[in-house]
Amino acid sequence: GAVVSQHPSWVICKSGTSVKIECRSLDFQATTMFWYRQFPKQSLMLMATSNEGSKATYEQGVEKDKFLINHASLTLSTLTVTSAHPEDSSFYICSASVGGADYNEQFFGPGTRLTVL
Amino acid sequence: GQNIDQPTEMTATEGAIVQINCTYQTSGFNGLFWYQQHAGEAPTFLSYNVLDGLEEKGRFSSFLSRSKGYSYLLLKELQMKDSASYLCAVTDSNYQLIWGAGTKLIIKP
Repeated sequence: GAVVSQHPSWVICKSGTSVKIECRSLDFQATTMFWYRQFPKQSLMLMATSNEGSKATYEQGVEKDKFLINHASLTLSTLTVTSAHPEDSSFYICSASVGGADYNEQFFGPGTRLTVL
Repeated sequence: GQNIDQPTEMTATEGAIVQINCTYQTSGFNGLFWYQQHAGEAPTFLSYNVLDGLEEKGRFSSFLSRSKGYSYLLLKELQMKDSASYLCAVTDSNYQLIWGAGTKLIIKP
């Protein structure tokens, strides 16, 4: 149980285009979904936290107008990288949490590798 | 500020035992996670500690001392496939997950 999928697993796009990444919890309802970015040989960097039906909470330094997050249902969240540039090339990972007050394990998707030419 | 410290890199020999330490200073504490991440892949859950003591799960064990702000992950009978990064993460008083930078473990034959 607790499987999270991401689509696409990798994408190559031209500079200036927009890319949408989907994150789905397949066998559970996710109260909260998280979006991370990871550059080579670095740790996870939390970009934003989203709850179903409400606006995402972005971490400091993350442009909310560039990284659009939509959490339309308890099983789906999308991240759209708008007007992508080569510096946005990274490994984007989503995770989902069931929530609850005493245990909030995050279940990770397999990640999406974005390359912007 | 909130801070998680773990060694950047460690090297161990196949078949041996290795201990990866993690110290934390956070605003409150609601549990500590260890995740394994192979290169190019997403993290996978290894363990969760919220009370002091040792949790054993097969070849992997995790220890927590809340009074010392300290945890370790112990890997026994190391296998080549254990070569990966190991991430320590702490849930603070707001149930936000604070991540360490990860420890890259290199296993040599």
